[in-house]
Amino acid sequence: DARVTQTPRHKVTEMGQEVTMRCQPILGHNTVFWYRQTMMQGLELLAYFRNRAPLDDSGMPKDRFSAEMPDATLATLKIQPSEPRDSAVYFCASGFGQGYEQYFGPGTRLTVT
Amino acid sequence: QKEVEQNSGPLSVPEGAIASLNCTYSDRVSQSFFWYRQYSGKSPELIMSIYSNGDKEDGRFTAQLNKASQYVSLLIRDSQPSDSATYLCAVNIDTGGFKTIFGAGTRLFVKA
Repeated sequence: DARVTQTPRHKVTEMGQEVTMRCQPILGHNTVFWYRQTMMQGLELLAYFRNRAPLDDSGMPKDRFSAEMPDATLATLKIQPSEPRDSAVYFCASGFGQGYEQYFGPGTRLTVT
Repeated sequence: QKEVEQNSGPLSVPEGAIASLNCTYSDRVSQSFFWYRQYSGKSPELIMSIYSNGDKEDGRFTAQLNKASQYVSLLIRDSQPSDSATYLCAVNIDTGGFKTIFGAGTRLFVKA
């Protein structure tokens, strides 16, 4: 059963600390997306990659967020330094080809105190 | 105006009835359209995709797309309590730069 996996599932950290979230896309999928979901803003696209190349990260606060795909089986989203307003659920999704149909991982629930 | 709009609900229907969920979008270059279901505390799950005008049926689900009117809808026939969830409409725009926009979602309650 092919699934997107994300680690950690939950993260509680203090303001100012670095947070790293990891995602393993479905094997064979070449498009990876990072989303953030909050009650107020809903689901927001932060960044996406196709064939490991970053195509758009306009949704990310550039000063503190960074996204990378060091290899085809791993995508990372880092926040440094973290702030309380970053508290949200962060989802990774993967797709094949153009990536139009996206398959979501279970998410990382981040709480920054 | 929001780019993808949905009625937040909640939409409440009795078990066995047809649930009708609607979504409108503002960008005429939108090219592909999706419905995701999200249970509370879980991740969105793709249930339907539609790319051309008309109806697309998959089991109890029917997606309808009308590009001229810029709306897409989802019908759930024979609604079950297990269908109770938030339904997210998503629109992809790919004009050299890819963009996925999700609506805020409609909460559906199916009463047994």
